[in-house]
Amino acid sequence: GENVEQHPSTLSVQEGDSAVIKCTYSDSASNYFPWYKQELGKRPQLIIDIRSNVGEKKDQRIAVTLNKTAKHFSLHITETQPEDSAVYFCAAPQGSTTGGYNKLIFGAGTRLAVHP
Amino acid sequence: KAGVTQTPRYLIKTRGQQVTLSCSPISGHRSVSWYQQTPGQGLQFLFEYFSETQRNKGNFPGRFSGRQFSNSRSEMNVSTLELGDSALYLCASSGGTGPEAFFGQGTRLTVV
Repeated sequence: GENVEQHPSTLSVQEGDSAVIKCTYSDSASNYFPWYKQELGKRPQLIIDIRSNVGEKKDQRIAVTLNKTAKHFSLHITETQPEDSAVYFCAAPQGSTTGGYNKLIFGAGTRLAVHP
Repeated sequence: KAGVTQTPRYLIKTRGQQVTLSCSPISGHRSVSWYQQTPGQGLQFLFEYFSETQRNKGNFPGRFSGRQFSNSRSEMNVSTLELGDSALYLCASSGGTGPEAFFGQGTRLTVV
């Protein structure tokens, strides 16, 4: 089955700096990689995702890159702001999502702290 | 469009009791997945239902069960509660135009 590892577990940056969180996965059949942001006491919120047919996707200050050969994907946040402080989770599906299967295997999470 | 709704938000139960949690997915979504979130174990997959059928199952004991109704609403049940079942239980709705999964606000279960 799929195994997802996420690093680092905690990340502390100054406002305006960039933050990078990395994940590796084990199942080469995985074809969809979402990232979730969870603020304290709130639900995980889907912030960006990438399919296996592209190498990079950007949405304003956040971007995700995918290296299928190495089986890793990364979240990049530029010009960090205090409101970016949260726990970020990467995930990969157990098997393909072609059939709409919805079993996500999550990384352990990265606690990002952005200091003013 | 309404989001994913979970009820109740908070529950306190005693060891040995059983509990039922409810999840209403986004309108039109047919897949509902359940996850357990704890500080020590992170987000762990419990099971997924699609069109009233359990399609995927995680590595949890048989005390954890679920079902899905014809309107896609789902319930999960935990019997013979243990202290270790204290957690945030999240459901995720999927099945729109892509594989994206959207979470409800969760049910915080405390077992005393």
